[in-house]
Amino acid sequence: GQQLNQSPQSMFIQEGEDVSMNCTSSSIFNTWLWYKQEPGEGPVLLIALYKAGELTSNGRLTAQFGITRKDSFLNISASIPSDVGIYFCAGPDMGGYQKVTFGTGTKLQVIP
Amino acid sequence: DAGVTQSPTHLIKTRGQQVTLRCSPKSGHDTVSWYQQALGQGPQFIFQYYEEEERQRGNFPDRFSGHQYPNYSSELNVNALLLGDSALYLCASSRIRTGGNEQFFGPGTRLTVL
Repeated sequence: GQQLNQSPQSMFIQEGEDVSMNCTSSSIFNTWLWYKQEPGEGPVLLIALYKAGELTSNGRLTAQFGITRKDSFLNISASIPSDVGIYFCAGPDMGGYQKVTFGTGTKLQVIP
Repeated sequence: DAGVTQSPTHLIKTRGQQVTLRCSPKSGHDTVSWYQQALGQGPQFIFQYYEEEERQRGNFPDRFSGHQYPNYSSELNVNALLLGDSALYLCASSRIRTGGNEQFFGPGTRLTVL
């Protein structure tokens, strides 16, 4: 089956710093999704990408759909303490159904 | 506008028992997907319901079954519980008409099997 690998696995950063994380796949995707999950909560959709090369922003978050369609990147600028959480990339199956495969996650901790 | 709701929030069962988890989708959504999230891992797709039928299934045994009602709400049933079934069970809803890729998640049900 499809596998999504995220890196780094975890990161500690100072408040105000920029953050970059990525997601790579063993197969191509037509859509990339980025979710954030906080403790005790379900994942919250941050950004959806639908086209190779697409760059989309949501406030301080910017995500890119890789040209090869096998990767995606998420950047967070000027991090703040509430950015803490686990960030997941995800991609729906190519088969026309809505099964979504999630990545392994990047745990972000922000030091005030 | 209520988002995705799930009940109960927490549940403790013993091995061999059966459990039913419930989900109400976001208003305007017609598709419900269920995921299992073990501690420290990403959500794993169990199955998806649309028009009261199971459309796609992940790599889960038949002990996991589901149902969708005409009002789009859904249930996840797990029979013969094993210790390894302990996890956070997430429900996500979406709309077929918009492509359905943007799934909105509920807060989950934390199941502990003793």
